[in-house]
Amino acid sequence: DVKVTQSSRYLVKRTGEKVFLECVQDMDHENMFWYRQDPGLGLRLIYFSYDVKMKEKGDIPEGYSVSREKKERFSLILESASTNQTSMYLCASRKPGQLYYGYTFGSGTRLTVV
Amino acid sequence: DQQVKQNSPSLSVQEGRISILNCDYTNSMFDYFLWYKKYPAEGPTFLISISSIKDKNEDGRFTVFLNKSAKHLSLHIVPSQPGDSAVYFCAATMTAGTASKLTFGTGTRLQVTL
Repeated sequence: DVKVTQSSRYLVKRTGEKVFLECVQDMDHENMFWYRQDPGLGLRLIYFSYDVKMKEKGDIPEGYSVSREKKERFSLILESASTNQTSMYLCASRKPGQLYYGYTFGSGTRLTVV
Repeated sequence: DQQVKQNSPSLSVQEGRISILNCDYTNSMFDYFLWYKKYPAEGPTFLISISSIKDKNEDGRFTVFLNKSAKHLSLHIVPSQPGDSAVYFCAATMTAGTASKLTFGTGTRLQVTL
């Protein structure tokens, strides 16, 4: 069964810490995405990557960066965590051309910044 | 600027009845639409989709209707079952261009009661 795996289900970090959220997919997908989900705001795109070493800003990139050194791994980095980055973070991947089935999502990482 | 809107944050329906979830969009360049279902502590899963060249797509108990002139789509679930209780997100994309990133709505929480 194909999978998108996010390394942590729950994470608690302190304000100002550098935080790494890891996402790995085993489907050989070129495209990978990071979203955050907040009540009343739905899913908002933070960053995405067309392929290895390529990245594009999404709708809310401020305070975040990403790394894609290998095809299967897409990391989201919070340079200096703040309380307004407390959220559910969702990673997704897709293969170009497989639009009918959209994305495959991971189970999410619930991040709390205190 | 919310390009995809779900104006009903929640909906309660009796088991066996029809559930109708609505979604509006503003960007006329969107030409492919998807519905995702999300249970708590899980990632969204693909449910059904529709291309702008169609006005209806059906898959078992789920039917999606698209009204391009009104920039409106709806998801019908008949008959509703308790296991359908979840948050439903509609999403839209432009199939031209790279990565075909999805723009999500804010979600509607469906509760199917016995």
